[in-house]
Amino acid sequence: SQQGEEDPQALSIQEGENATMNCSYKTSINNLQWYRQNSGRGLVHLILIRSNEREKHSGRLRVTLDTSKKSSSLLITASRAADTASYFCATDASQGAQKLVFGQGTRLTINP
Amino acid sequence: EAGVAQSPRYKIIEKRQSVAFWCNPISGHATLYWYQQILGQGPKLLIQFQNNGVVDDSQLPKDRFSAERLKGVDSTLKIQPAKLEDSAVYLCASSRPRTDTQYFGPGTRLTVL
Repeated sequence: SQQGEEDPQALSIQEGENATMNCSYKTSINNLQWYRQNSGRGLVHLILIRSNEREKHSGRLRVTLDTSKKSSSLLITASRAADTASYFCATDASQGAQKLVFGQGTRLTINP
Repeated sequence: EAGVAQSPRYKIIEKRQSVAFWCNPISGHATLYWYQQILGQGPKLLIQFQNNGVVDDSQLPKDRFSAERLKGVDSTLKIQPAKLEDSAVYLCASSRPRTDTQYFGPGTRLTVL
């Protein structure tokens, strides 16, 4: 079963606009990660946020985590055509070795 | 450093046939994962190895799926016999010991007819 639920399932915006994707999960976690998947390719790790962190930045990416609401958001600022991809959140709630549970993803399309 | 390698990239088989996928992780990565990604869904973990030992195979359909990681490096995932619902992309990932970032290969797209 998949713990993360992403919202929206699909998002289409104009180049230069900001894109926000949300992820909700069900159980307490150690960390939450965001991955990007271009069509027909493997996943690329974007950013990791630990359960004791509230916000992290990496370039044009900003991730927030609200453990009280069991939710996270990924903001991509000043979007580019190359940002067109599917974005997945993955949670690690394991006691021992890391085990990631992925959401169903948000399909982001950036229109020129 | 070279990324995670997988082969073949594409495979088409008929139901009830067998198929095998190969993965070569990044050098020095002790942990290796196999995921199944059905179209329109996120990846689902099938099996996780630490060196050549199985850490988690709770979601591996063991009546038809098997995996091994000989010598703690390369790994193979086998399906025998395949069913229509096995059509998916099979992703291999690896990570360094005691780290949280997984590095994914390009995947093998399996179509079962």
